[in-house]
Amino acid sequence: QQQVKQSPQSLIVQKGGISIINCAYENTAFDYFPWYQQFPGKGPALLIAIRPDVSEKKEGRFTISFNKSAKQFSLHIMDSQPGDSATYFCAAADSSGSRLTFGEGTQLTVNP
Amino acid sequence: DADVTQTPRNRITKTGKRIMLECSQTKGHDRMYWYRQDPGLGLRLIYYSFDVKDINKGEISDGYSVSRQAQAKFSLSLESAIPNQTALYFCATSDPRDSGETQYFGPGTRLLVL
Repeated sequence: QQQVKQSPQSLIVQKGGISIINCAYENTAFDYFPWYQQFPGKGPALLIAIRPDVSEKKEGRFTISFNKSAKQFSLHIMDSQPGDSATYFCAAADSSGSRLTFGEGTQLTVNP
Repeated sequence: DADVTQTPRNRITKTGKRIMLECSQTKGHDRMYWYRQDPGLGLRLIYYSFDVKDINKGEISDGYSVSRQAQAKFSLSLESAIPNQTALYFCATSDPRDSGETQYFGPGTRLLVL
């Protein structure tokens, strides 16, 4: 079963808009939540990550919001750009941090 | 990506054939992983290795085997390939001394089993 559920599967936004991708997890032992970005023909690369001791983390135009009680977290991309067009994966890991469980992925297209 | 290389990048094989996918890394990391990526299913862990003498099954290890020949090399074998093993395969590495233990992925191998 999928322990980390991600939605939507695909997302189209206009340049300058806000992209929002949501994830929900089941395992309460998870305590590390990274987001990976994958461009066509490339492997995924870490974009941003959060631990549950904070409710939000921001790096440039990318923000993770985390709701521990709801077991949900989301990625917000502000002022979305065509160069942000990629597949985004949320993931979760327990305290060891080494075994990642990935969501299904979201294919983001930002139209110019 | 240049620090983690995978060969071949593309492979077409027939049902029943044994094939090997290879991964090499120059990052000096002890931990290495093999994932497969399927549309709508994300990345799923096949095997992982925390050092040369440590091999562990992931969530979908059936039909696969691995070999950790050295710290820098981790190979994935399909003993008898079947069409539902058609997928994109990724190798990754990580360093447990990294506070977030970021995983660094190779460029992937696209496998087609006919």
